[in-house]
Amino acid sequence: GEDVEQSLFLSVREGDSSVINCTYTDSSSTYLYWYKQEPGAGLQLLTYIFSNMDMKQDQRLTVLLNKKDKHLSLRIADTQTGDSAIYFCAGGEQVFGAGTILRVKS
Amino acid sequence: NAGVMQNPRHLVRRRGQEARLRCSPMKGHSHVYWYRQLPEEGLKFMVYLQKENIIDESGMPKERFSAEFPKEGPSILRIQQVVRGDSAAYFCASSPPGLASQYFGPGTRLTVT
Repeated sequence: GEDVEQSLFLSVREGDSSVINCTYTDSSSTYLYWYKQEPGAGLQLLTYIFSNMDMKQDQRLTVLLNKKDKHLSLRIADTQTGDSAIYFCAGGEQVFGAGTILRVKS
Repeated sequence: NAGVMQNPRHLVRRRGQEARLRCSPMKGHSHVYWYRQLPEEGLKFMVYLQKENIIDESGMPKERFSAEFPKEGPSILRIQQVVRGDSAAYFCASSPPGLASQYFGPGTRLTVT
């Protein structure tokens, strides 16, 4: 079956950029997603990218998709302490990575 | 415009009891998904429902688990004879027909003692 892998942990300083990476095996997904989960809360959809796009920018968020390498990344510019959370990438509607814990140090 | 609602937020059951988790989708959404998040793991798909129909239950354990989404009322995830391994956070998500994005509820944290 499909597999989605993410690095487990990322620590950055406030004001720096954060890059969270994700690799997937199934290239048939029409959309790929990034979700944010804050402590004690459900998932919040951050952004998504259509599979025929290479890049999508939304304010501080930039999503890059490399279909050849099956690699998806989320860049957060000017990272703030409020960005500390777990970030999940997801392919299609049913397969999620295990999540990347982003810790922002002030 | 209320988001996806789940209740209860926290549920404690003793082994052997039944757990009922409810999910009210966003207004206008007719598709509901249930996910389970075990401690230290990511989300795992369980079941996808539309009104009165189960579309995909490939992620549901074969025994003790069932889900429904009736014509009226919330979607229900039912776990019979709970065991300690059922302790997890259960999230539901909804989406409107024809669109890809899912909107998640806050989750129900089930603890089996």
